[in-house]
Amino acid sequence: EAGVTQFPSHSVIEKGQTVTLRCDPISGHDNLYWYRRVMGKEIKFLLHFVKESKQDESGMPNNRFLAERTGGTYSTLKVQPAELEDSGVYFCASSQDANTEAFFGQGTRLTVV
Amino acid sequence: GNSVTQMEGPVTLSEEAFLTINCTYTATGYPSLFWYVQYPGEGLQLLLKATKADDKGSNKGFEATYRKETTSFHLEKGSVQVSDSAVYFCALRRGNFNKFYFGSGTKLNVKP
Repeated sequence: EAGVTQFPSHSVIEKGQTVTLRCDPISGHDNLYWYRRVMGKEIKFLLHFVKESKQDESGMPNNRFLAERTGGTYSTLKVQPAELEDSGVYFCASSQDANTEAFFGQGTRLTVV
Repeated sequence: GNSVTQMEGPVTLSEEAFLTINCTYTATGYPSLFWYVQYPGEGLQLLLKATKADDKGSNKGFEATYRKETTSFHLEKGSVQVSDSAVYFCALRRGNFNKFYFGSGTKLNVKP
């Protein structure tokens, strides 16, 4: 069975551009999470979807970030416009239920120059 | 608030050495505690967990005991291998949702 898959694995963009990250959760997992690790610091929670609904988006840093999960399957995280401080590794995770084991993807390394 | 502090790395050890990676936490209530590991080129993987005070989580020779009195969850392994080289993250979870609070990670290098 495929695990959590993230695309792209790396992205380098210029400040002011737009980038869209994609996450494909494990099939059947209703719960999907986004996290990010900036500058080698702690991994921070961004938001949590239950199917297509945002359960908790308290970690989203500002309105330049937009997460969607249309149809309750894959999710996208768009950064528009990107700033230098957005550089980091963005992780996606999914779980069958909200409190069962969360499985993480490999992450997308975003570099804003 | 909720936070996790873990020792800074990198930690460099020779094969078969004893490993300790310190982790302390701050949380309201009674969190569950986790260790995740990220091997090179891979995603985060759950290594072990403990859900209440005095519980010991163990997996692949690694152990950690949930110490409420010292708010700690230190990771230990008696004899590390080169294949244990990875970044280790301590994390807590409050409540019943997978909203984790992670530490900053500790990179472990094990040399033959």
